[in-house]
Amino acid sequence: DVKVTQSSRYLVKRTGEKVFLECVQDMDHENMFWYRQDPGLGLRLIYFSYDVKMKEKGDIPEGYSVSREKKERFSLILESASTNQTSMYLCASSPELMLAGDTDTQYFGPGTRLTVL
Amino acid sequence: GENVEQHPSTLSVQEGDSAVIKCTYSDSASNYFPWYKQELGKRPQLIIDIRSNVGEKKDQRIAVTLNKTAKHFSLHITETQPEDSAVYFCAASWGYGKLTFGQGTILTVHP
Repeated sequence: DVKVTQSSRYLVKRTGEKVFLECVQDMDHENMFWYRQDPGLGLRLIYFSYDVKMKEKGDIPEGYSVSREKKERFSLILESASTNQTSMYLCASSPELMLAGDTDTQYFGPGTRLTVL
Repeated sequence: GENVEQHPSTLSVQEGDSAVIKCTYSDSASNYFPWYKQELGKRPQLIIDIRSNVGEKKDQRIAVTLNKTAKHFSLHITETQPEDSAVYFCAASWGYGKLTFGQGTILTVHP
């Protein structure tokens, strides 16, 4: 059974603070993702990593960066948190893809609800 | 990238009725269409998915249909039960391994 865990379920930070959100998966998945979830907007992709030290911007990367030093761990960094980054953050992982243009099932973590005051 | 529109945003049905949620997508290269269910306070969980070489897929009370020509796909839930109440998200693939999600449908099943 795939297990994706996130470091915190709830987090409260101040404007301007540097925030780290961590995600760990135990299924040796190549691909990892960070989304933010807001009511009425669905899940929006922030960043995507398809291998260690490899990353790709998603739809809304502004104000965020990521780090993937080890295959099982993918971190989302808010360099200087702002109130408009208050949201639910979801991490996901998926296995290696066999073909270019292929997509496979994504497995989600429980989410981190971040509040920036 | 891809653009996915999902309707309706809320859906209220009586227990035992059927529920249908529809999504349209823009990228004709999309070839994978999953549906996720998210119960209150929980993570999204895959409930069914379909690939572009298939027109319909069924798993007990849930089914998904895909019309590639019209670029739309739908989730059908029959004999709804209160435990089906949740937020449902459709998604469509794009690029390498990425998904674009719809806005979500809040389904409420009244006993």
